[in-house]
Amino acid sequence: AQSVTQLDSQVPVFEEAPVELRCNYSSSVSVYLFWYVQYPNQGLQLLLKYLSGSTLVKGINGFEAEFNKSQTSFHLRKPSVHISDTAEYFCAVSDLGGATNKLIFGTGTLLAVQP
Amino acid sequence: DVKVTQSSRYLVKRTGEKVFLECVQDMDHENMFWYRQDPGLGLRLIYFSYDVKMKEKGDIPEGYSVSREKKERFSLILESASTNQTSMYLCASSFHLNTEAFFGQGTRLTVV
Repeated sequence: AQSVTQLDSQVPVFEEAPVELRCNYSSSVSVYLFWYVQYPNQGLQLLLKYLSGSTLVKGINGFEAEFNKSQTSFHLRKPSVHISDTAEYFCAVSDLGGATNKLIFGTGTLLAVQP
Repeated sequence: DVKVTQSSRYLVKRTGEKVFLECVQDMDHENMFWYRQDPGLGLRLIYFSYDVKMKEKGDIPEGYSVSREKKERFSLILESASTNQTSMYLCASSFHLNTEAFFGQGTRLTVV
């Protein structure tokens, strides 16, 4: 069955520093990949998505992610974070035509930006 | 703009009560979902529906049921609320099952 691993439950970082949030998935078939952001006491908001084409995907708020098929990874990056980026970030994957025809979410990474 | 609306942001219910969580979407999406979110566990799928009156169990359906009488509305029902159902509940909808889902603001349910 498809699974998503976000190894880091919490990532502390200083303001204006770069950050990478890691996401790995288990699938041998073609996939769609997503990153969502959740601010405190809010629902999830789509940050970016990979469906096909260029492996470098740009999203909202200056975030980008790179799809690496050989590493089965889809890490999220931002070159310079702000206090307002403090939130929980979820990676999600779905199979194309596989047994897992729905989004599978990781357990989330809390990005804590410190001044 | 895409919108998924959950009827309550916060709810406090007593053990044994029957609880209804309502969700409405205005995007004419075929698919709707109910998740619960708990610290360290991420989002877990309770039930989803791919058409009116159609439903399928997700990963943790025990203690829950759902109803979809109209395309835009998907209700989650806790038949007899228990304290271990205290959680954040998130509703979502999507055009296709395997493409991006749009989420509501969430309902934080406390069962006392």
